[in-house]
Order: sequence, then structure tokens, then C-alpha cells
Amino acid sequence: KAGVTQTPRYLIKTRGQQVTLSCSPISGHRSVSWYQQTPGQGLQFLFEYFSETQRNKGNFPGRFSGRQFSNSRSEMNVSTLELGDSALYLCASSLWGPGYGYTFGSGTRLTVV
Amino acid sequence: AQTVTQSQPEMSVQEAETVTLSCTYDTSESDYYLFWYKQPPSRQMILVIRQEAYKQQNATENRFSVNFQKAAKSFSLKISDSQLGDAAMYFCAHNAGNNRKLIWGLGTSLAVNP
Repeated sequence: KAGVTQTPRYLIKTRGQQVTLSCSPISGHRSVSWYQQTPGQGLQFLFEYFSETQRNKGNFPGRFSGRQFSNSRSEMNVSTLELGDSALYLCASSLWGPGYGYTFGSGTRLTVV
Repeated sequence: AQTVTQSQPEMSVQEAETVTLSCTYDTSESDYYLFWYKQPPSRQMILVIRQEAYKQQNATENRFSVNFQKAAKSFSLKISDSQLGDAAMYFCAHNAGNNRKLIWGLGTSLAVNP
């Protein structure tokens, strides 16, 4: 059974650019969540999608957006990148939602220079 | 506000010994879930153990067990017979009610000494 696949694993972008990160959940999982992990702030919730609907959104500026496709694959987009957006972005999938436990991908390490 | 506190930023244990990682949380909900996740240097977060708040029995997964004290809002993780592969960052997390997200502690870095 394939795990959660995140692409790319590493990304270097320049301030002001935009970036799209991709996540393929475990087959059959309908819930996909995104978290930002930084040394200072720890893990911060970005958003959760369930069957293509955004169910919850964290306290991030509108530059952070996401979507989920009919096959449950999800993308998140960050526009007008800032240095502070440098982080590990983790995608997690679950059959029904976070209360049931997540399976995580290996993350995308984004560096903004 | 929901919070999760891990008071031990770093801990170490000798191989084959037992170690307990602490976690306290705050919530006004009566229905919630608690988790311990492990993040090794490979950075992939792995679910270690899950506890449903309405269950009084402490969850156990092989060498990993929890001490869930609901009234004290405490949720500690005990690792028995520690192995070198247990070295990782351990995160305590909480999910409450209809809130479709996890609230995380800042983690405890566990070193296992041979």
C-alpha cells in the first residue's frame, strides 16, 4: 500500500515568487491536511480538505491557498513568497479526519532566498 | 484556547531502559483525541499511539503506553525497553470536538544511548 507522497522534496525559491506543492494521499483517504513546521513555531495547521471541500483553515494570510481534486490529491499554493515562509510543509491524510490519526508524507522543504 | 505543553525539550535514555515523556493539554471539550507522533531525522511523522478521551483504559502499542489522566489533563508516553531506533522528536497532539485540526506541542527530542 503506497504511503502519502509529497512532491517535490526540496524547493528553493526567490522572494516574491509563487510555489505549488503537491500531495497524493493514501488510496481511499478522503481527508488531507497541511501543516507548516518551523523550529520556532513548531507545527501550525494550514488547512484540511475532505472530499474536495475545505473543512477548516488555519491562521495564515491569504497568500496560502489549497485545493483538493476528485481523486483526493491535494495541492497548496503560496504566492508572493516571503523569507518567513521557509519551512517544512507536511501533508497528512486520514480516512475520516484528524481524530482518527494521520499518515504523513515526508514533507517538502521550502527555502525562500 | 486549546493548548498542548511538553515541558521537556530534550531527554535521554539508556538502551533497554524505560523513559517517560510528559504532556499536558488544555481544552474545554469533553470529546477529544490525544496522540503521540514520532519524527525521526528522516522527518516523516509517524503515529505512535492514539487515545480517545472517553476511554478510561490507557492505550498501548507494543513497547509504547500512555498514562492518561483526564482530570489533570495529562497524557504521558512511556517507552519500555528503549531501542536505538526510538531516537527521534516526539510530539504530543490534541484534536477536540468538531475542530478538524491537531494542536501540537513543541516536541521532546529523545536520545537513546547505547
